[in-house]
Amino acid sequence: DGGITQSPKYLFRKEGQNVTLSCEQNLNHDAMYWYRQDPGQGLRLIYYSQIVNDFQKGDIAEGYSVSREKKESFPLTVTSAQKNPTAFYLCASSKDRGNQPQHFGDGTRLSIL
Amino acid sequence: AQTVTQSQPEMSVQEAETVTLSCTYDTSESDYYLFWYKQPPSRQMILVIRQEAYKQQNATENRFSVNFQKAAKSFSLKISDSQLGDAAMYFCAYRSAPWNYGGATNKLIFGTGTLLAVQP
Repeated sequence: DGGITQSPKYLFRKEGQNVTLSCEQNLNHDAMYWYRQDPGQGLRLIYYSQIVNDFQKGDIAEGYSVSREKKESFPLTVTSAQKNPTAFYLCASSKDRGNQPQHFGDGTRLSIL
Repeated sequence: AQTVTQSQPEMSVQEAETVTLSCTYDTSESDYYLFWYKQPPSRQMILVIRQEAYKQQNATENRFSVNFQKAAKSFSLKISDSQLGDAAMYFCAYRSAPWNYGGATNKLIFGTGTLLAVQP
C-alpha cells in the first residue's frame, strides 16, 4: 500500500546536537511538507517543497533545514539553533494540483535530553 | 494573511447523538478550499471532508457533513450518529486555490483544534 513513512517514531536530542527526521513517500506526490505540532496549537508549517531540488520556508523555518534530492524523500534537520525543539513533527505530501488533500505520516516525537 | 479560528477547545457528545464543531476563517480570496482533519490518539492526521469554495452545495461523507457559509466565512462540521471511534482532535484547515498565487501551492493553514469526547 502507498503511504508516508516517518522515522524514527521517537527521537531524543542532546544540547547542541543536530538531528534529522526522515520522511519517505511512495505515493508519487509532487509536494511534501513538514509541520510542527505543539500542545494547544494547530499544525504550523516549517518547510515545504513542490518539486525536487526546490523548497520554501514556511511560517517557522528558523532553526530547521531540509533537502529534496529525490521526489520520494524530504528529510528535516533540527539544528542546534532551534532552542525549543520539543514537539511532534508531521510530514505530509500531496499532488500539487486542484483540491488534492495532504496525506500525513504517523509523526515523530522529538524530545530534549 | 489568512487565519482559521476554532473557538471550541473541547466538545462532548453522547454516543448516537449529533454534534457540530465550529470553524471560522478570514480571507480576502474568493477561491479556496476548506478541510476537516481528524487526529485520534494515535496522532495520525486523517482527512474527514473537503469543500471547494466555488461549490454552493455542502459536502457530505457518510455521517459527516459540513455547513459552509461563504459570506459568513464559516465552515462547521456536523457528525451524526456519533460513535466511540469519532473521539479525536478535529482540525479545520484552509488552502488557497492555486491560481491565487499564479502557480501551484498547497499550503494548509490550520485552526487550533477541537477535542471531541464521545460518551457511551
